[in-house]
Amino acid sequence: DIQMTQSPSTLSASVGDRVTITCRASQTISTWLAWYQQKAGKAPKMLIYQASNLESGVPSRFSGSGSGTEFILTISSLQPDDFATYYCQHYNTYSWTFGQGTKVEVK
Amino acid sequence: EVQLLESGGGLVQPGGSLRLSCAASGLKYDIYAINWVRQAPGKGLEWVSGISSFGDTPYYADSVKGRFTISRDKSKNTLYLQMNSLRVEDTALYYCAKGDCSSVGCPGDHWGQGTLVTVSS
Repeated sequence: DIQMTQSPSTLSASVGDRVTITCRASQTISTWLAWYQQKAGKAPKMLIYQASNLESGVPSRFSGSGSGTEFILTISSLQPDDFATYYCQHYNTYSWTFGQGTKVEVK
Repeated sequence: EVQLLESGGGLVQPGGSLRLSCAASGLKYDIYAINWVRQAPGKGLEWVSGISSFGDTPYYADSVKGRFTISRDKSKNTLYLQMNSLRVEDTALYYCAKGDCSSVGCPGDHWGQGTLVTVSS
């Protein structure tokens, strides 16, 4: 089974910072990767699909890159609304696999 | 507007059963795959099960295989998760999530708000 590993687990940052979160797959997954944002008490919200495609309505400060086994989510200028937990997800015909999550907290 | 509404959660003893429902509105329900994802208290997301738009091919995580059954009733725009032989470790908030295509191989672009399942004696 493919494992997804995110780093870091927790990230302390300030408003205006550039933030990057890494997700690594245990084997190559092409670009079958999505990123989600989850705020406390809320359902996850998809930000990025197919590694680099921005979901409709998502601010352009979010971007995704990578292919194969290494992927990056970048927030170009962190906003107050962006403090949340972020998950990467590999999807294939048979299953979904999530990373363990990265919590972005106030520095 | 796409809406997914889960129901059926509650408190059940170990070994018991529950059936969760996910009612969909605002979409052409029968052309999308639907998945169940759970989140234990204070933990991350775990995919549980998914079913294609055709409803003919269900998929399960190893942790629930043989105990959970996913199904869909297109006439009612509703997805179900029958959960048998429940364990303490099945305690979680259960979300249904719509894939953005007909197979499980697409990410979830709409999610419900979840229904809480607590397995405890």
